[in-house]
Amino acid sequence: GQNIDQPTEMTATEGAIVQINCTYQTSGFNGLFWYQQHAGEAPTFLSYNVLDGLEEKGRFSSFLSRSKGYSYLLLKELQMKDSASYLCAVIGNTPLVFGKGTRLSVIA
Amino acid sequence: GAVVSQHPSWVICKSGTSVKIECRSLDFQATTMFWYRQFPKQSLMLMATSNEGSKATYEQGVEKDKFLINHASLTLSTLTVTSAHPEDSSFYICSARGTSDSTDTQYFGPGTRLTVL
Repeated sequence: GQNIDQPTEMTATEGAIVQINCTYQTSGFNGLFWYQQHAGEAPTFLSYNVLDGLEEKGRFSSFLSRSKGYSYLLLKELQMKDSASYLCAVIGNTPLVFGKGTRLSVIA
Repeated sequence: GAVVSQHPSWVICKSGTSVKIECRSLDFQATTMFWYRQFPKQSLMLMATSNEGSKATYEQGVEKDKFLINHASLTLSTLTVTSAHPEDSSFYICSARGTSDSTDTQYFGPGTRLTVL
């Protein structure tokens, strides 16, 4: 079966660092994606991990541990515009399976 | 690169009418396109996977006679909601996967908000 878990909501302060966790159980594994989705808009691609370790891209980093079925998205120097839902998605033996998303609120 | 467009952005229609939504990959060829539906404050739900030149594969619970998908070329897929009803009101999003993309990354269109009165 397919199961992806991530926290429903998080709140963080502008300028701070926040880590959004994702755990997954899927049939097969061919990669894990993080997408950002602002309210009323379609998701935009943030990162892709297929090997264990940390991938850094500017203020955003994504980590993967395949043996633990675990990933996190790290956002540094938070800005108000980072307030959005962050979707963890895994591609295995089926098309992309999305978690329910973590709604991040950045406060001043 | 990897731009996907959708048309229309929003549509309001009467119950019983049919609505066609277009999804285009503008700067790459997409052998596979996906159609998702998203209700307010919920995650994306995959409706169907379409491969160019073949019949779409529908997810369990999605009526293929109601949601007609055509993937006529490597840059265009269409979703037609037939005999739409108020419960079909939702945010419909397509995504496309490039032919040369080894990472299987899906790029999303901007979505179409459908309201059925």
